[in-house]
Amino acid sequence: EPEVTQTPSHQVTQMGQEVILRCVPISNHLYFYWYRQILGQKVEFLVSFYNNEISEKSEIFDDQFSVERPDGSNFTLKIRSTKLEDSAMYFCASSEFVGDNEQFFGPGTRLTVL
Amino acid sequence: SQQGEEDPQALSIQEGENATMNCSYKTSINNLQWYRQNSGRGLVHLILIRSNEREKHSGRLRVTLDTSKKSSSLLITASRAADTASYFCATALNDYKLSFGAGTTVTVRA
Repeated sequence: EPEVTQTPSHQVTQMGQEVILRCVPISNHLYFYWYRQILGQKVEFLVSFYNNEISEKSEIFDDQFSVERPDGSNFTLKIRSTKLEDSAMYFCASSEFVGDNEQFFGPGTRLTVL
Repeated sequence: SQQGEEDPQALSIQEGENATMNCSYKTSINNLQWYRQNSGRGLVHLILIRSNEREKHSGRLRVTLDTSKKSSSLLITASRAADTASYFCATALNDYKLSFGAGTTVTVRA
């Protein structure tokens, strides 16, 4: 069964460093998303992406964050200058359509900022 | 902001028993989805119920939706040890964004 994959599974970085989290959505899906889950807290929406454009973003998704689909398969989340509070599990998701359509999530990347 | 809130926060049941958890939300939704998360792992999609549907089944799962009460329930019948996980409801506020609740942690005892 097709699935969303994410790399790396765990990323440790120093505060102020740039990180890129990578995702490979399900191949026939057109809509892509990033969510994050700070330890012990709720899963929070960050951004949605379609047709090489951001469809919607949350207030969390400030200028330090950016997303890109650099080729036909990868979808990336970049954090330019990481802060301690960026430590979280980051989930990529994809869906075939929007509206009444399931979002399928990857296994997540655990980001630890020291 | 719009959020689903699950109740109870934690549930411990014996294998073979049914587990029921509830989700309440605040504003109109397009649909409501239930997800499972095993400890430290990703989110697994379980079931989606549209705003014009009242009940939906998938295997041992039964989901209801009451839009007048802004609530949903997830029933897991004949629970198994492998059902031990956290369960989240997620409300679709629009075409793109899911808003997750804090989850119900279910422990199934052998």
